[in-house]
Amino acid sequence: GDSVTQMEGPVTLSEEAFLTINCTYTATGYPSLFWYVQYPGEGLQLLLKATKADDKGSNKGFEATYRKETTSFHLEKGSVQVSDSAVYFCALIKRAAGNKLTFGGGTRVLVKP
Amino acid sequence: GVTQSPTHLIKTRGQQVTLRCSSQSGHNTVSWYQQALGQGPQFIFQYYREEENGRGNFPPRFSGLQFPNDSSELNVNALELDDSALYLCASSLTSGGGNEQFFGPGTRLTVL
Repeated sequence: GDSVTQMEGPVTLSEEAFLTINCTYTATGYPSLFWYVQYPGEGLQLLLKATKADDKGSNKGFEATYRKETTSFHLEKGSVQVSDSAVYFCALIKRAAGNKLTFGGGTRVLVKP
Repeated sequence: GVTQSPTHLIKTRGQQVTLRCSSQSGHNTVSWYQQALGQGPQFIFQYYREEENGRGNFPPRFSGLQFPNDSSELNVNALELDDSALYLCASSLTSGGGNEQFFGPGTRLTVL
């Protein structure tokens, strides 16, 4: 079946450091890929998405590029802030599967001042 | 936005529980996910226009209802310790793949 694998955390960074969270997927067909963020005590929020190969999703300084050849969708941010401390989830949807999201295990990021 | 109630709930093994969700206005699709501690959410099922429209790998003791007034329920019978988790509902404009899902804050269920 479909699956998403992301690097385990926690990832601890200093403010203004560069952040990368690796995400790879296994799926037949052409999934859409997503990054969600979960702040403490809150639900999941869509951070960015990409619907086809070579698309780049971006939002709030975060970027991820859909790489079909490496089945990857790594999340990057050039300069993190304390407010970026959260858990980040990579996920996929296949149109044939309706609106069912398949999530990775999540990566906790802690940014220290 | 999407709201869920209650925020927290404590039950004992063998009991039954009902969790509630209020979708974003105008959304006709609601999905439920189970998020165990330290893991990613797992798809339980989806309802579209009040009918089940897809189910994940969960036993029949997990059931749901969707009402015409943008509300929905997740029912779990014969609770087991492993049912302890954060339960998330998400609504979307329609059931088509790729439609953005808007998540509620979740209900934290503890089974003792």
